Amino acid sequence: AQKVTQAQTEISVVEKEDVTLDCVYETRDTTYYLFWYKQPPSGELVFLIRRNSFDEQNEISGRYSWNFQKSTSSFNFTITASQVVDSAVYFCALIGGTSYGKLTFGQGTILTVHP
Amino acid sequence: GAGVSQSPSNKVTEKGKDVELRCDPISGHTALYWYRQSLGQGLEFLIYFQGNSAPDKSGLPSDRFSAERTGGSVSTLTIQRTQQEDSAVYLCASSLGINSPLHFGNGTRLTVT
Repeated sequence: AQKVTQAQTEISVVEKEDVTLDCVYETRDTTYYLFWYKQPPSGELVFLIRRNSFDEQNEISGRYSWNFQKSTSSFNFTITASQVVDSAVYFCALIGGTSYGKLTFGQGTILTVHP
Repeated sequence: GAGVSQSPSNKVTEKGKDVELRCDPISGHTALYWYRQSLGQGLEFLIYFQGNSAPDKSGLPSDRFSAERTGGSVSTLTIQRTQQEDSAVYLCASSLGINSPLHFGNGTRLTVT
């Protein structure tokens, strides 16, 4: 069985603060893929990043960065200098190597950035 | 390019009626998925089509739910004899293949009264 846990239900920050969204996963597969998606108020799920289980290199894309640590089964997401437009629900998700494309989602973290 | 297109965007139906939800995936994407998003259950996998293979229906909650994909492109999700617990946002996604990022449509918000 696979499981993704996002322990933070809601986070509220003030603009320009840094914020980290936590994600912990469980899988028995040795090959797997981790994802982050953003769901703004408009409702559409927007793909942000995919990492495979063999690549633990951290990644930075503009104000976004991701920290993948297999030792703790975590794939955390940090937004630096947050902006109001970052307000959304963020989902962490997992595809196991034997899941053939079926994403298992966490419950999501609601991020609110106040001006 | 065009993204995943879903119709209708909103659907209100009476309990016991049948509904059909449509999904037009991104051109060239061989994999198509249906998910359901509701307040109590989060995002749930429903069904997955990959090329010409038999679909993975393991997420369908009951035999009232069915889906088909014609010509490897457009998909229709059908819910028969709708119940109030079917109220949710039904999301369609497509991808280039298994384990590739899923690209989601805007969803169909279904309300069963």
